[in-house]
Amino acid sequence: ETGVTQTPRHLVMGMTNKKSLKCEQHLGHNAMYWYKQSAKKPLELMFVYNFKEQTENNSVPSRFSPECPNSSHLFLHLHTLQPEDSALYLCASSQNGELFFGEGSRLTVL
Amino acid sequence: GQNIDQPTEMTATEGAIVQINCTYQTSGFNGLFWYQQHAGEAPTFLSYNVLDGLEEKGRFSSFLSRSKGYSYLLLKELQMKDSASYLCAVRDLAGNMLTFGGGTRLMVKP
Repeated sequence: ETGVTQTPRHLVMGMTNKKSLKCEQHLGHNAMYWYKQSAKKPLELMFVYNFKEQTENNSVPSRFSPECPNSSHLFLHLHTLQPEDSALYLCASSQNGELFFGEGSRLTVL
Repeated sequence: GQNIDQPTEMTATEGAIVQINCTYQTSGFNGLFWYQQHAGEAPTFLSYNVLDGLEEKGRFSSFLSRSKGYSYLLLKELQMKDSASYLCAVRDLAGNMLTFGGGTRLMVKP
């Protein structure tokens, strides 16, 4: 238990579906992150939020839309995804640079 | 930009010692992290180096040479449960973002 909870753990969706991934942290951290982990590729940073404000968008396609309503919650809204978007999506939080990861949401796009 | 290299796979024997190397070329440096990730689980923090030298924590040690852009993770008295991926990550100057290497998958054999 890392203090970062992600739901759902597994998601299968078609290319025309709209779905959302949710992340909640119970650590009182100010920064939250979305990372993408694909097979045989490094963890790729997608978005960074500090104090609910987006501070980094790492050239992510607009079919991924983040939302951070408060410092404890982070969402990733998914729309018209492609099969190559199938991956493990990891949420993390931090206070002083050390990342605490959630278990991830395994996404499969058909 | 950031470039972080580590071997893709390593195999070692239970009870032995293994060293996992990481080299980096980054536009800014504010510390290096090692994470462990078991299959299907979240990455978990192992160690952090910001100054040159060796940091020891039980069976695990991590070394950093900033002038050489080089770090290693040393695992002693290997156990079967040490079979996992080991991720090297460099923190940027602002201290908010980690850039990860591709990870080293370690297989411990009896």
